[in-house]
Amino acid sequence: KAGVTQTPRYLIKTRGQQVTLSCSPISGHRSVSWYQQTPGQGLQFLFEYFSETQRNKGNFPGRFSGRQFSNSRSEMNVSTLELGDSALYLCASSSGLAGGGTGELFFGEGSRLTVL
Amino acid sequence: AQKVTQAQTEISVVEKEDVTLDCVYETRDTTYYLFWYKQPPSGELVFLIRRNSFDEQNEISGRYSWNFQKSTSSFNFTITASQVVDSAVYFCALRDGFKTIFGAGTRLFVKA
Repeated sequence: KAGVTQTPRYLIKTRGQQVTLSCSPISGHRSVSWYQQTPGQGLQFLFEYFSETQRNKGNFPGRFSGRQFSNSRSEMNVSTLELGDSALYLCASSSGLAGGGTGELFFGEGSRLTVL
Repeated sequence: AQKVTQAQTEISVVEKEDVTLDCVYETRDTTYYLFWYKQPPSGELVFLIRRNSFDEQNEISGRYSWNFQKSTSSFNFTITASQVVDSAVYFCALRDGFKTIFGAGTRLFVKA
């Protein structure tokens, strides 16, 4: 079974630009979550999607947005990039249950974003 | 509000020593799930174990064991006879509702 695939793996942007990151979950998984990982802040929850619906959102500014498509693939977008957005962005998929999900998260390798 | 605290930032042990990683959590929910994940130097987070709030039975898997105590809101992880390959960052996580949050992680160094 193929794992969670994230693209691109690495990218460099400049302040003010925007970026879109993509995530393909494990086949059959309908839940996708996004996390920002930095050395100082650890793993910070961004969003969770299930069947194209955002079920929860972390404490990030509105510049961070996401969506999920009918095939469960997900994208996240960061607009007006700031230096502090430099991080590893991790996507995780889960089989979960429709009600709340009990499943463990399967993570991708991440997209490393550098903002100059 | 949810919160996961891993007070140990870094732990260094010599191979074959036993080591316990601490995790304390906070939640208002009566139904929740606790997890441990491992992030080796290669970077990819790997699931280790899940416990639900109604199952306080401790679990052992090879050299790994987990102690879940609701009375102290703790979910500690012990590695017995540590090996160099155990060197990684270990994260404790809590899920209630539609959100999984992680502790800050404990970096474990196992020296040969």
